[in-house]
Amino acid sequence: DAKTTQPPSMDCAEGRAANLPCNHSTISGNEYVYWYRQIHSQGPQYIIHGLKNNETNEMASLIITEDRKSSTLILPHATLRDTAVYYCIVTRNTGNQFYFGTGTSLTVIP
Amino acid sequence: GAVVSQHPSWVICKSGTSVKIECRSLDFQATTMFWYRQFPKQSLMLMATSNEGSKATYEQGVEKDKFLINHASLTLSTLTVTSAHPEDSSFYICSAGTTGQGEKLFFGSGTQLSVL
Repeated sequence: DAKTTQPPSMDCAEGRAANLPCNHSTISGNEYVYWYRQIHSQGPQYIIHGLKNNETNEMASLIITEDRKSSTLILPHATLRDTAVYYCIVTRNTGNQFYFGTGTSLTVIP
Repeated sequence: GAVVSQHPSWVICKSGTSVKIECRSLDFQATTMFWYRQFPKQSLMLMATSNEGSKATYEQGVEKDKFLINHASLTLSTLTVTSAHPEDSSFYICSAGTTGQGEKLFFGSGTQLSVL
């Protein structure tokens, strides 16, 4: 499965949009992009996933570039409870191993 | 959404004893479950892939005789840390999901193991 690269940390003002980038330049055509987040001492929480098209759900939006080599997770109105480590993962199939990178530690500032 | 239940949430044990952690898929059948461990301020490290009805597949460097995995049913996988030592103290997390392309993987709440 493709490796991902994320900035180690980011800050975002409360109420503003948080844009978290992920680079997956070696992604193959049938690999999906998944985003999870982990709040301290809890299991990772599913946020969103996509293949080619942009996706939106009640939590976030996922923007995937046309060449699929990078993506951005958007939290439209960040709250203090969104402070967490966000992981971008690329995989073909949920039956395959999910490998976590180092993720981005997002801090939402009041 | 699908729920993965993990038990216990935390456990303290003496060095040399064995500890069993359970992972259950509550509203779906999981032919594959994954076990991770996480040290403080580090990312999740995949330990093994648990396959229902067959032997688990361990990642390189993970001792299969130390971390016993049993996946006897489509809704339950267990991880037993045998002869635990202080260096086994860690946060252990399981995950499961409906297998397939574009499906979701869900995670348990984790088990904090402290070996004295």
